Amino acid sequence: EKVMTQSPATLSVSPGERATLSCRASQSVSHKLAWYQQKPGQAPRLLIYDASTRATGIPVRFSGSGSETEFTLTISSLQSEDFAVYSCLQYDEWPITFGRGTRLEIK
Amino acid sequence: QVQLVQSGAEVKKPGASVKVSCKTSGYTFSSFYLHWVRRAPGQGLEWLGIINPSNGDTYYAQKFQGRVTMTRDTSASTVYMELSSLRSEDSAVYYCTRFTSQAFDIWGQGTSVIVSS
Repeated sequence: EKVMTQSPATLSVSPGERATLSCRASQSVSHKLAWYQQKPGQAPRLLIYDASTRATGIPVRFSGSGSETEFTLTISSLQSEDFAVYSCLQYDEWPITFGRGTRLEIK
Repeated sequence: QVQLVQSGAEVKKPGASVKVSCKTSGYTFSSFYLHWVRRAPGQGLEWLGIINPSNGDTYYAQKFQGRVTMTRDTSASTVYMELSSLRSEDSAVYYCTRFTSQAFDIWGQGTSVIVSS
């Protein structure tokens, strides 16, 4: 199976600053990579699919980039509601696999 | 609107089984595969498997093969996930989620399963 590795595990950023989150695949997943945001007590929320396409209703401050094995989620100017856990997943092949997540916390 | 509504929280003893339901609405039930994912406390999201609502075909993560069973009731537009031989490590929030061209676009609200003696 394809192992997804996210870094860092925790990222401390001040509101208004930029956050950059990374996701690496052990083998190529082409562009079949999605990013999710999850807050306590809530289901995951789709942010980005196909590596760089924003889902419906997602603010433009969220952007995704990368292909094959290296991917990045960038939040250009952090808002208070953006502090959460972010997970990547690959859907290039089954089994679908997730990264362990990056916790984005207020600095 | 499109919704996935899951059954309520469960508390089970080790060795027991749990069956979680996921009722779909707002779209054609047979059109999209449904997956089950869980998150244990302090852990990442973990994929359990998939069911094709159209014909009932399933594919399970190797880790859960032999313990998980996914079924569907087309008349009720509902899918089910049953996990047997429960152990404490199975304590988690279980989600059903729809897979489309936009990956997992819609999620159920989650079902908490606690395994405790």
